[in-house]
Amino acid sequence: GAGVSQSPRYKVTKRGQDVALRCDPISGHVSLYWYRQALGQGPEFLTYFNYEAQQDKSGLPNDRFSAERPEGSISTLTIQRTEQRDSAMYRCASSSLLTSGDNYEQYFGPGTRLTVT
Amino acid sequence: RKEVEQDPGPFNVPEGATVAFNCTYSNSASQSFFWYRQDCRKEPKLLMSVYSSGNEDGRFTAQLNRASQYISLLIRDSKLSDSATYLCVVWVSYNTDKLIFGTGTRLQVFP
Repeated sequence: GAGVSQSPRYKVTKRGQDVALRCDPISGHVSLYWYRQALGQGPEFLTYFNYEAQQDKSGLPNDRFSAERPEGSISTLTIQRTEQRDSAMYRCASSSLLTSGDNYEQYFGPGTRLTVT
Repeated sequence: RKEVEQDPGPFNVPEGATVAFNCTYSNSASQSFFWYRQDCRKEPKLLMSVYSSGNEDGRFTAQLNRASQYISLLIRDSKLSDSATYLCVVWVSYNTDKLIFGTGTRLQVFP
């Protein structure tokens, strides 16, 4: 079946512009996570949703970053007034389980490479 | 101090070698542990969960030492296709439910 998809795959934007990154999780997956990954580093947690409810946004760097998942499926990560330091790979992941246990797995999307010039 | 620490490597080993990666975590509330594999320019994928009693999946063996807050991954009989970055991951469920990833250890297997 279809995996996690993200769009756009690449986004180049000018400093000060707003960007919206989309994540389409695996159908039926209840939890959805957003990460940021710098080159040579592991994914860094940003925020997550169970169904449509945002549970933890402690990883969002500042108030220019926001995320929503209004219908419990597709999610959008929005970055307002982008800055060069926002340049990174943004990944989302989804899971069929709400919490860890046997067989817990997060399935990652291919990511959106954001470049702010 | 990072919540999950790994030696970034790279580890360069010949085919057939045995290689071990280690990882330490700082949050004693961590409840579940995993190894993910990430190929160059690809997304991370679950390699295996890590259980308290240790577990094996083919050539891969994972160990957990809760007292020392230490996780290990052993790869026996390395293949060229094992070349990748191996990410140590812990699950934190205190006031949240999230995965914390280490920086990853890069493995390069050569012929």
